[in-house]
Amino acid sequence: GDSVTQMEGPVTLSEEAFLTINCTYTATGYPSLFWYVQYPGEGLQLLLKATKADDKGSNKGFEATYRKETTSFHLEKGSVQVSDSAVYFCARLSGTYKYIFGTGTRLKVLA
Amino acid sequence: DSGVTQTPKHLITATGQRVTLRCSPRSGDLSVYWYQQSLDQGLQFLIHYYNGEERAKGNILERFSAQQFPDLHSELNLSSLELGDSALYFCASSVGVNTGELFFGEGSRLTVL
Repeated sequence: GDSVTQMEGPVTLSEEAFLTINCTYTATGYPSLFWYVQYPGEGLQLLLKATKADDKGSNKGFEATYRKETTSFHLEKGSVQVSDSAVYFCARLSGTYKYIFGTGTRLKVLA
Repeated sequence: DSGVTQTPKHLITATGQRVTLRCSPRSGDLSVYWYQQSLDQGLQFLIHYYNGEERAKGNILERFSAQQFPDLHSELNLSSLELGDSALYFCASSVGVNTGELFFGEGSRLTVL
C-alpha cells in the first residue's frame, strides 16, 4: 500500500551544521510529496512541497527534490539554527484521497 | 493560527468510556482529515471526509467512528476506550478533495486511565 519511510531520529546537530533528513515513498502512481514541520505544542504546518518528478520545493532555507528514479524526497538545509528544532514529517498524497505521513524525525539543534 | 479549531484540548477519561472530539475546519474548506499521533507509531491516518461524504479510510478501529455535518464540522467518536487509545488526535482541513496543503488544528490530547 501507500507508505512513506523516514530516517529515525533524533537528529542532533550544532548550529550552522548541514542537515539531511531522508524520506522515501512507495511508487504507486504519481503522488505529490510534502514536508511538514511540528514545533513543540503545535499542530503540523506545511514547510514545502513538490507535485511532479524533478520539482524542487523550497522554503525558509529548506529544500527537497522529487526524485522519481530513487523514489526519494530528502529534506536538506545548508545551515541549521536553534529555531529549526522541531519534528519533521514527510508525506505523500495520491489519487486515493489518502494523505499519508511518515513517522516523523525529531531535530534538535544545539547553540 | 491555522484556522482549524479542535475541542476539547485535553480530555482524561477511564477505560470503557466513550468520548467525542470535535473539529471545525477553516472557513471554505470542504475536506476534513483525522489523524492519531502516538509516541511509538507516529502520525496515523484515520479517515477523510469531503463535503459530508467519507472519501478514504485508514487504520481506524471499529470502535471509532466519524462524521462530517452539513455545516462541515466533524466529530470523531471513540468508544470502549482502552489504555492504548491515549494519544494526540489531530484534525486537518483542506480546500478540495485531493488538494495539496493540509491545515492542522492544535490537537486533542486524550488520556485513558
